[in-house]
Amino acid sequence: AQSVTQLGSHVSVSEGALVLLRCNYSSSVPPYLFWYVQYPNQGLQLLLKYTSAATLVKGINGFEAEFKKSETSFHLTKPSAHMSDAAEYFCAVRRGSQGNLIFGKGTKLSVKP
Amino acid sequence: DAGVIQSPRHEVTEMGQEVTLRCKPISGHDYLFWYRQTMMRGLELLIYFNNNVPIDDSGMPEDRFSAKMPNASFSTLKIQPSEPRDSAVYFCASSSLLASSYNEQFFGPGTRLTVL
Repeated sequence: AQSVTQLGSHVSVSEGALVLLRCNYSSSVPPYLFWYVQYPNQGLQLLLKYTSAATLVKGINGFEAEFKKSETSFHLTKPSAHMSDAAEYFCAVRRGSQGNLIFGKGTKLSVKP
Repeated sequence: DAGVIQSPRHEVTEMGQEVTLRCKPISGHDYLFWYRQTMMRGLELLIYFNNNVPIDDSGMPEDRFSAKMPNASFSTLKIQPSEPRDSAVYFCASSSLLASSYNEQFFGPGTRLTVL
């Protein structure tokens, strides 16, 4: 059965510092993996998705994620944090051939000036 | 593209009243999802439809909750009677397996429900 685990419910970084948000997945088949971002009082917005064409996936707003099969990980990174990156980030895996996604519990990112 | 449209954006009601939340998916999408988000429980999938047919309603908390999708462009989530513990943000999302084999979901802005 597919599942995702996000390590750390809250991450705090300084502006300009590296952002690293961790996601590990469990899947018996090649996974469909996604990262979503939720800004305060808004819906979830797709940041990026793993397409199997490349292990390093680039998304919007300078974020990228690297798929590592050996580690069953799909961590999200950004080289330099900006104040506007403060939001909650969700990792998700699609349940096989079915349509629904299984979401992690989310990681709230705070960016200090 | 207007995106997923939800109404109302905010709803305040009293315990025992009926509440109806509405969703218009992105045109052409064949999947529609209803989620609930609370601080305590996070993001929960309530029910999802494929081609207007409910596929999985195992997340619907109780018989007080019901969802319908009478056509491809409209869905409702109804709570009757409402209770204070139903207070949450309810999201609707849609997706298309035909448009993208990854079937990524697109979320609406949500309805913030407060039951007094």
